[in-house]
Amino acid sequence: DGGITQSPKYLFRKEGQNVTLSCEQNLNHDAMYWYRQDPGQGLRLIYYSQIVNDFQKGDIAEGYSVSREKKESFPLTVTSAQKNPTAFYLCASSQGTGEGQPQHFGDGTRLSIL
Amino acid sequence: AQTVTQSQPEMSVQEAETVTLSCTYDTSESNYYLFWYKQPPSRQMILVIRQEAYKQQNATENRFSVNFQKAAKSFSLKISDSQLGDTAMYFCAFMKLHTGTASKLTFGTGTRLQVTL
Repeated sequence: DGGITQSPKYLFRKEGQNVTLSCEQNLNHDAMYWYRQDPGQGLRLIYYSQIVNDFQKGDIAEGYSVSREKKESFPLTVTSAQKNPTAFYLCASSQGTGEGQPQHFGDGTRLSIL
Repeated sequence: AQTVTQSQPEMSVQEAETVTLSCTYDTSESNYYLFWYKQPPSRQMILVIRQEAYKQQNATENRFSVNFQKAAKSFSLKISDSQLGDTAMYFCAFMKLHTGTASKLTFGTGTRLQVTL
């Protein structure tokens, strides 16, 4: 079955440590996205990518970095510069651009501080 | 910048009844898309329904339908014959079209719907 796989499901970070969240899709989608969800809030866009080797900052990119070396993969690194990283992180993908293509989501990764 | 407002943090409905969730948005764009997503306790985001702003006809998907009022910038979701499995957080989202770039979603803060027996 086609879909989006996020791993790990739960992740713990120590102070000063960088951690990487994995996102893989086999839907052959061009665009991929990372969102952060905090309690009582909607999803906020961190980074997005339309094609391989290209990505843009979203609304809350500070303290995060991404790469897009393969079409299928869009990992997110939460750096030590992100002072409040505890949240639920969702990865999404969509087929095209400019045509209202709905985004399909993975099951998410919950990141907590030790 | 676009904003999406969901003014009902929580709602409750009895099984088999009908419930309407409200959503308003603010934009200067004339062409855009609107979505409702459902997030059950499993936390997975599931697309419920999609509306194209240039279509006057309201979208429907089985028991789910929308009331799209473009002039009022309102996009409410009606759930008919509510089922226990409809218990979830519901998010309204706005998509502005960008030529040549990915289509970003702006989400509201969500409405928590509880379906009771």
